Amino acid sequence: QTVVTQEPSFSVSPGGTVTLTCDLSSGSVSTNYYPTWYQQTPGQAPRTLIYSTNTRSSGVPDRFSGSILGNKAALTITGAQADDEADYYCVLYIDGDTLVFGGGTRLTVL
Amino acid sequence: QVQLVQSGGEEKKPGASVKVSCKASGYTFSSYGISWVRQAPGQGLEWMGWISTYNGNTNSAQKFQDRLTMTTDTSTSTVYMELRSLKSDDTAIYYCARDVVVAGIPVYWGQGTLVLVSS
Repeated sequence: QTVVTQEPSFSVSPGGTVTLTCDLSSGSVSTNYYPTWYQQTPGQAPRTLIYSTNTRSSGVPDRFSGSILGNKAALTITGAQADDEADYYCVLYIDGDTLVFGGGTRLTVL
Repeated sequence: QVQLVQSGGEEKKPGASVKVSCKASGYTFSSYGISWVRQAPGQGLEWMGWISTYNGNTNSAQKFQDRLTMTTDTSTSTVYMELRSLKSDDTAIYYCARDVVVAGIPVYWGQGTLVLVSS
């Protein structure tokens, strides 16, 4: 069974830069997995930040960016702000017909 | 603008079924598929399945294949998700979400529907 792994938690200082990653148990993540990133704050539906590796969703500020770093998908937040404190999830498109979410990363801004 | 409006919360007994609706607006309904994703209390996101609003084809996660049915009504631009044989660990918020580029990858989200399974 395919497992997608994210860091359970991360912390960043206001104004700082943080890179969250999304790893695949069965090998390297490539653009063929269309990595997609979501932000979720308590009591809210997920908000799409990045889809298809590096395409920002409508209205998402350009301080959020997506990439492939080595063998993982990555979400980089540049100039972190207090309201970036949230849970971040990635999802990968597996075998052409299945989606698998990572367990999520809780980001603290302090 | 793209909007997905889901039906209201439900409380069900174990063994029952639940049917959640997702009404789409602001785009051509049959041009994009809809995924269903759920989130148990305090837990992460879990993909359940996807339906093509063009031809009704479906894909679903293996763990749901025997008790999940997804249907589409093009006349009302509405997608339905029915989950049968409910158990207490099916208690979750259920989201519908529309794809953009690749079939099934959610980009636009509904507001979520809480399904509580309790005896």
